[in-house]
Amino acid sequence: GQQVMQIPQYQHVQEGEDFTTYCNSSTTLSNIQWYKQRPGGHPVFLIQLVKSGEVKKQKRLTFQFGEAKKNSSLHITATQTTDVGTYFCAGPGGAGSYQLTFGKGTKLSVIP
Amino acid sequence: DGGITQSPKYLFRKEGQNVTLSCEQNLNHDAMYWYRQDPGQGLRLIYYSQIVNDFQKGDIAEGYSVSREKKESFPLTVTSAQKNPTAFYLCASKRTGTENTEAFFGQGTRLTVV
Repeated sequence: GQQVMQIPQYQHVQEGEDFTTYCNSSTTLSNIQWYKQRPGGHPVFLIQLVKSGEVKKQKRLTFQFGEAKKNSSLHITATQTTDVGTYFCAGPGGAGSYQLTFGKGTKLSVIP
Repeated sequence: DGGITQSPKYLFRKEGQNVTLSCEQNLNHDAMYWYRQDPGQGLRLIYYSQIVNDFQKGDIAEGYSVSREKKESFPLTVTSAQKNPTAFYLCASKRTGTENTEAFFGQGTRLTVV
């Protein structure tokens, strides 16, 4: 079935440094979603990308969807301790399917 | 308030016993999902349901069973056939009609089998 690969698995950064996580799919995606899970919490939706080459920003977070709609990235500028958590990308199953497949996530630690 | 509720938050069971995890939503969502989360493994899909009385196996369905008798409810039973049931279980729901909708998650149930 659909596979969504995410790297890196862990990232430790000094507060103020930038952070990027990458997501790659084995198949073309109709859309890709990003979620954040704080330590001890549950995943919370951040954003959805639909169009080829789409770029969306949320304050210090920049999300990109590749031209071929097979990869995506999340970039955080000047990390803060509040950014700590695990970031997941998620892609849908095939046409007509509501299956939602998550990557393994990138766990971000921010050193104050 | 609309939302998705999982209960209990923590659950302890003896090895060999079946256990059922509850998931209820009042968001009027058609699609519901069960995921298992282990350290370093991300979210792995166990089962999902797109409509009442219908559900599909995910990537790791062995040792689990579900039912969808009501739109609001999607309970997960962890059977004694599941070799390593200790994990964090997350339930989610989303609208259908279009693929482009966000999933809402419950608070999760942490199951420990001793």
